Amino acid sequence: QQQVKQSPQSLIVQKGGISIINCAYENTAFDYFPWYQQFPGKGPALLIAIRPDVSEKKEGRFTISFNKSAKQFSLHIMDSQPGDSATYFCAARPYTGGFKTIFGAGTRLFVKA
Amino acid sequence: NAGVTQTPKFRVLKTGQSMTLLCAQDMNHEYMYWYRQDPGMGLRLIHYSVGEGTTAKGEVPDGYNVSRLKKQNFLLGLESAAPSQTSVYFCASVWAGAAYNEQFFGPGTRLTVL
Repeated sequence: QQQVKQSPQSLIVQKGGISIINCAYENTAFDYFPWYQQFPGKGPALLIAIRPDVSEKKEGRFTISFNKSAKQFSLHIMDSQPGDSATYFCAARPYTGGFKTIFGAGTRLFVKA
Repeated sequence: NAGVTQTPKFRVLKTGQSMTLLCAQDMNHEYMYWYRQDPGMGLRLIHYSVGEGTTAKGEVPDGYNVSRLKKQNFLLGLESAAPSQTSVYFCASVWAGAAYNEQFFGPGTRLTVL
Protein backbone atom coordinates (compact mmCIF):
# COMPACT_ATOMS: atom_id res chain seq x y z
CA GLN A 1 0.00 0.00 0.00
CA GLN A 2 1.27 3.39 -1.01
CA GLN A 3 2.18 5.58 1.95
CA VAL A 4 3.33 8.55 -0.11
CA LYS A 5 0.75 10.12 -2.39
CA GLN A 6 2.00 12.36 -5.18
CA SER A 7 0.15 14.77 -7.44
CA PRO A 8 -0.32 15.67 -10.19
CA GLN A 9 0.48 12.68 -12.40
CA SER A 10 1.57 14.97 -15.20
CA LEU A 11 2.28 18.66 -15.50
CA ILE A 12 2.83 21.02 -18.42
CA VAL A 13 4.47 24.35 -17.67
CA GLN A 14 5.56 27.21 -19.88
CA LYS A 15 9.26 28.05 -19.96
CA GLY A 16 10.03 30.49 -17.16
CA GLY A 17 7.02 29.41 -15.12
CA ILE A 18 6.84 27.74 -11.73
CA SER A 19 6.36 23.98 -11.51
CA ILE A 20 4.76 22.69 -8.31
CA ILE A 21 4.53 19.03 -7.33
CA ASN A 22 2.83 17.98 -4.12
CA CYS A 23 3.21 14.97 -1.87
CA ALA A 24 1.45 13.76 1.25
CA TYR A 25 2.48 11.01 3.62
CA GLU A 26 0.58 8.95 6.15
CA ASN A 27 3.22 7.44 8.42
CA THR A 28 4.76 9.83 10.93
CA ALA A 29 7.84 7.68 11.43
CA PHE A 30 9.73 9.15 8.48
CA ASP A 31 12.97 11.03 8.99
CA TYR A 32 14.08 12.00 5.52
CA PHE A 33 12.21 13.30 2.49
CA PRO A 34 14.15 13.24 -0.80
CA TRP A 35 13.11 14.16 -4.31
CA TYR A 36 14.51 12.24 -7.26
CA GLN A 37 14.66 13.32 -10.90
CA GLN A 38 14.55 10.80 -13.73
CA PHE A 39 15.24 11.48 -17.39
CA PRO A 40 13.94 9.05 -20.06
CA GLY A 41 16.03 5.90 -20.26
CA LYS A 42 17.98 6.73 -17.11
CA GLY A 43 17.82 5.79 -13.48
CA PRO A 44 16.52 8.28 -10.92
CA ALA A 45 19.03 10.64 -9.33
CA LEU A 46 18.77 12.57 -6.08
CA LEU A 47 17.73 16.17 -6.69
CA ILE A 48 17.18 17.66 -3.25
CA ALA A 49 16.22 16.40 0.20
CA ILE A 50 14.93 17.70 3.53
CA ARG A 51 14.62 16.52 7.12
CA PRO A 52 11.34 17.08 9.03
CA ASP A 53 12.86 19.62 11.43
CA VAL A 54 13.25 22.11 8.57
CA SER A 55 10.31 23.88 6.86
CA GLU A 56 12.08 24.85 3.65
CA LYS A 57 15.22 24.02 1.72
CA LYS A 58 16.40 25.77 -1.41
CA GLU A 59 19.04 24.70 -3.90
CA GLY A 60 19.27 26.93 -6.93
CA ARG A 61 15.91 26.95 -8.69
CA PHE A 62 14.62 24.00 -6.65
CA THR A 63 12.86 24.43 -3.31
CA ILE A 64 11.25 21.92 -0.96
CA SER A 65 8.51 23.22 1.31
CA PHE A 66 7.69 20.97 4.26
CA ASN A 67 4.58 21.11 6.48
CA LYS A 68 5.02 18.60 9.30
CA SER A 69 1.62 19.15 10.91
CA ALA A 70 -0.20 18.59 7.61
CA LYS A 71 2.14 15.74 6.61
CA GLN A 72 2.71 17.38 3.27
CA PHE A 73 5.72 18.49 1.29
CA SER A 74 6.15 19.98 -2.14
CA LEU A 75 8.76 20.69 -4.79
CA HIS A 76 8.84 24.08 -6.47
CA ILE A 77 10.88 24.60 -9.63
CA MET A 78 11.33 28.27 -10.30
CA ASP A 79 12.02 29.62 -13.80
CA SER A 80 11.31 26.18 -15.27
CA GLN A 81 13.40 25.26 -18.31
CA PRO A 82 12.90 22.68 -21.08
CA GLY A 83 15.87 20.81 -19.61
CA ASP A 84 13.82 20.27 -16.45
CA SER A 85 11.43 18.04 -18.41
CA ALA A 86 11.64 14.73 -16.56
CA THR A 87 9.78 12.53 -14.12
CA TYR A 88 9.99 13.60 -10.49
CA PHE A 89 9.51 11.29 -7.53
CA CYS A 90 8.97 12.37 -3.99
CA ALA A 91 9.96 9.87 -1.35
CA ALA A 92 10.09 9.25 2.37
CA ARG A 93 12.42 7.13 4.44
CA PRO A 94 11.24 5.46 7.64
CA TYR A 95 13.28 5.47 10.85
CA THR A 96 13.50 1.68 10.70
CA GLY A 97 16.69 0.00 9.58
CA GLY A 98 17.73 -0.90 6.07
CA PHE A 99 17.28 2.65 4.82
CA LYS A 100 14.24 1.60 2.85
CA THR A 101 12.71 4.47 0.92
CA ILE A 102 9.05 4.69 -0.10
CA PHE A 103 8.48 6.47 -3.40
CA GLY A 104 5.50 8.38 -4.71
CA ALA A 105 3.98 7.42 -8.06
CA GLY A 106 5.87 10.11 -9.94
CA THR A 107 5.02 13.28 -11.87
CA ARG A 108 5.90 13.70 -15.53
CA LEU A 109 6.87 17.32 -16.09
CA PHE A 110 7.01 18.85 -19.53
CA VAL A 111 8.30 22.39 -19.91
CA LYS A 112 7.23 24.05 -23.14
CA ALA A 113 9.80 26.24 -24.86
CA ASN B 1 34.19 4.94 -11.02
CA ALA B 2 31.43 3.24 -12.97
CA GLY B 3 28.93 3.72 -10.14
CA VAL B 4 26.05 1.27 -10.36
CA THR B 5 25.86 -0.93 -13.45
CA GLN B 6 23.15 -3.36 -14.49
CA THR B 7 23.27 -6.32 -16.86
CA PRO B 8 21.52 -6.84 -19.21
CA LYS B 9 19.93 -3.59 -20.42
CA PHE B 10 17.09 -5.31 -22.27
CA ARG B 11 15.65 -8.82 -22.22
CA VAL B 12 12.65 -10.61 -23.65
CA LEU B 13 11.52 -13.82 -21.96
CA LYS B 14 8.79 -16.32 -22.59
CA THR B 15 6.44 -17.23 -19.78
CA GLY B 16 8.04 -19.82 -17.54
CA GLN B 17 11.64 -19.02 -18.44
CA SER B 18 14.14 -18.02 -15.80
CA MET B 19 16.78 -15.35 -15.73
CA THR B 20 19.12 -13.45 -13.44
CA LEU B 21 19.68 -9.72 -13.41
CA LEU B 22 23.07 -8.56 -12.20
CA CYS B 23 23.75 -5.35 -10.33
CA ALA B 24 27.29 -4.26 -9.55
CA GLN B 25 28.57 -1.21 -7.66
CA ASP B 26 32.13 -0.03 -7.20
CA MET B 27 31.47 2.51 -4.44
CA ASN B 28 31.85 0.06 -1.53
CA HIS B 29 28.25 0.73 -0.46
CA GLU B 30 26.78 -1.42 2.26
CA TYR B 31 23.14 -1.35 1.23
CA MET B 32 21.69 -2.45 -2.09
CA TYR B 33 18.14 -2.54 -3.43
CA TRP B 34 16.09 -3.90 -6.29
CA TYR B 35 13.06 -1.92 -7.49
CA ARG B 36 10.56 -2.33 -10.26
CA GLN B 37 9.08 0.67 -12.03
CA ASP B 38 5.67 0.47 -13.63
CA PRO B 39 3.61 3.32 -15.12
CA GLY B 40 1.66 5.15 -12.43
CA MET B 41 3.14 2.98 -9.67
CA GLY B 42 6.40 4.70 -8.97
CA LEU B 43 9.29 2.61 -7.72
CA ARG B 44 8.39 -0.42 -5.66
CA LEU B 45 10.93 -2.24 -3.57
CA ILE B 46 11.35 -5.94 -4.38
CA HIS B 47 14.21 -7.02 -2.10
CA TYR B 48 17.09 -5.33 -0.39
CA SER B 49 20.34 -6.15 1.36
CA VAL B 50 22.04 -4.44 4.28
CA GLY B 51 25.29 -6.28 3.79
CA GLU B 52 27.13 -9.19 2.23
CA GLY B 53 25.29 -12.43 2.82
CA THR B 54 22.07 -10.80 4.05
CA THR B 55 18.84 -10.10 2.17
CA ALA B 56 15.32 -9.06 3.09
CA LYS B 57 11.93 -8.77 1.44
CA GLY B 58 10.55 -5.49 0.24
CA GLU B 59 7.04 -4.49 -0.80
CA VAL B 60 6.62 -6.83 -3.81
CA PRO B 61 8.92 -9.87 -3.32
CA ASP B 62 6.72 -12.64 -4.73
CA GLY B 63 8.18 -14.37 -7.79
CA TYR B 64 11.69 -13.04 -7.18
CA ASN B 65 14.77 -14.23 -5.32
CA VAL B 66 18.00 -12.42 -4.56
CA SER B 67 21.52 -13.15 -3.44
CA ARG B 68 24.38 -11.00 -2.20
CA LEU B 69 27.44 -13.23 -2.08
CA LYS B 70 29.83 -10.34 -2.60
CA LYS B 71 29.50 -6.81 -1.25
CA GLN B 72 29.67 -5.27 -4.70
CA ASN B 73 27.10 -7.51 -6.39
CA PHE B 74 23.36 -7.99 -5.90
CA LEU B 75 21.57 -10.53 -8.08
CA LEU B 76 17.85 -10.64 -8.80
CA GLY B 77 16.42 -13.93 -10.05
CA LEU B 78 13.16 -14.80 -11.71
CA GLU B 79 12.62 -18.55 -11.47
CA SER B 80 9.51 -18.77 -13.66
CA ALA B 81 8.78 -15.52 -15.43
CA ALA B 82 5.19 -14.29 -15.77
CA PRO B 83 3.76 -11.48 -17.95
CA SER B 84 3.04 -9.53 -14.74
CA GLN B 85 6.80 -9.24 -14.29
CA THR B 86 7.14 -7.14 -17.42
CA SER B 87 8.68 -3.97 -16.04
CA VAL B 88 11.76 -1.83 -15.81
CA TYR B 89 14.04 -3.00 -13.00
CA PHE B 90 16.37 -0.67 -11.17
CA CYS B 91 19.13 -1.47 -8.77
CA ALA B 92 20.34 1.08 -6.24
CA SER B 93 23.00 1.31 -3.57
CA VAL B 94 23.51 3.45 -0.48
CA TRP B 95 26.48 4.33 1.65
CA ALA B 96 25.20 3.95 5.21
CA GLY B 97 27.43 6.74 6.50
CA ALA B 98 26.11 9.49 4.24
CA ALA B 99 24.07 12.28 5.83
CA TYR B 100 21.12 11.89 3.50
CA ASN B 101 21.62 8.23 2.58
CA GLU B 102 21.40 9.10 -1.08
CA GLN B 103 20.39 6.19 -3.28
CA PHE B 104 22.55 5.75 -6.38
CA PHE B 105 20.60 4.08 -9.16
CA GLY B 106 21.74 2.01 -12.10
CA PRO B 107 20.49 2.65 -15.64
CA GLY B 108 17.80 -0.02 -15.47
CA THR B 109 16.89 -3.29 -17.19
CA ARG B 110 13.83 -3.37 -19.40
CA LEU B 111 12.25 -6.82 -19.18
CA THR B 112 9.39 -8.05 -21.32
CA VAL B 113 7.73 -11.38 -20.57
CA LEU B 114 5.61 -12.75 -23.39
